[in-house]
Amino acid sequence: DGGITQSPKYLFRKEGQNVTLSCEQNLNHDAMYWYRQDPGQGLRLIYYSQIVNDFQKGDIAEGYSVSREKKESFPLTVTSAQKNPTAFYLCASSITSGGYTGELFFGEGSRLTVL
Amino acid sequence: GEDVEQSLFLSVREGDSSVINCTYTDSSSTYLYWYKQEPGAGLQLLTYIFSNMDMKQDQRLTVLLNKKDKHLSLRIADTQTGDSAIYFCAESIGGATNKLIFGTGTLLAVQP
Repeated sequence: DGGITQSPKYLFRKEGQNVTLSCEQNLNHDAMYWYRQDPGQGLRLIYYSQIVNDFQKGDIAEGYSVSREKKESFPLTVTSAQKNPTAFYLCASSITSGGYTGELFFGEGSRLTVL
Repeated sequence: GEDVEQSLFLSVREGDSSVINCTYTDSSSTYLYWYKQEPGAGLQLLTYIFSNMDMKQDQRLTVLLNKKDKHLSLRIADTQTGDSAIYFCAESIGGATNKLIFGTGTLLAVQP
């Protein structure tokens, strides 16, 4: 079945450590996104990529990094520079043309807790 | 700047109708969306409305759009306990990128 797979679902890390969250899609979508979800704040865009080897900062990119070496994959690294990394991270993808309605397809999320 | 606002919580009894409201700021939004998030999961698109429409109905769901007031609502008829979830309103801010601005989410609690 087509979809978006995020891993791990739960992750615990000590302060000062970098962590990488995986996001893989087999929907053949060009665009991929990373959102952060905090209680009472909705979803905030971290980074997005519309095509392989290209990505753009979202609204809260500081302390995060991404890569887009393959169409299917868009990993997110939470660096030690991120001041408050504990959150629920959501990856999404979408088409960018041909019947485009702006719909995002989401993964099941990764919950990161920094101890 | 862009901002999407929703009330945080709504409680209804099973069988009643639920109405979740949203206000947005970008008058150039092409599409407006309602997403549903169940506990510990990602978001799923429930429905969307094109900005030149004022109403869309899909089974138990009715979306109303008031462009003048930048107000969007989602009505769920005959609400069931399985409808308990967080509902997010979102607007597309247009341009070449598919950037969506999400609201804070409304937690819908359905009492049996």
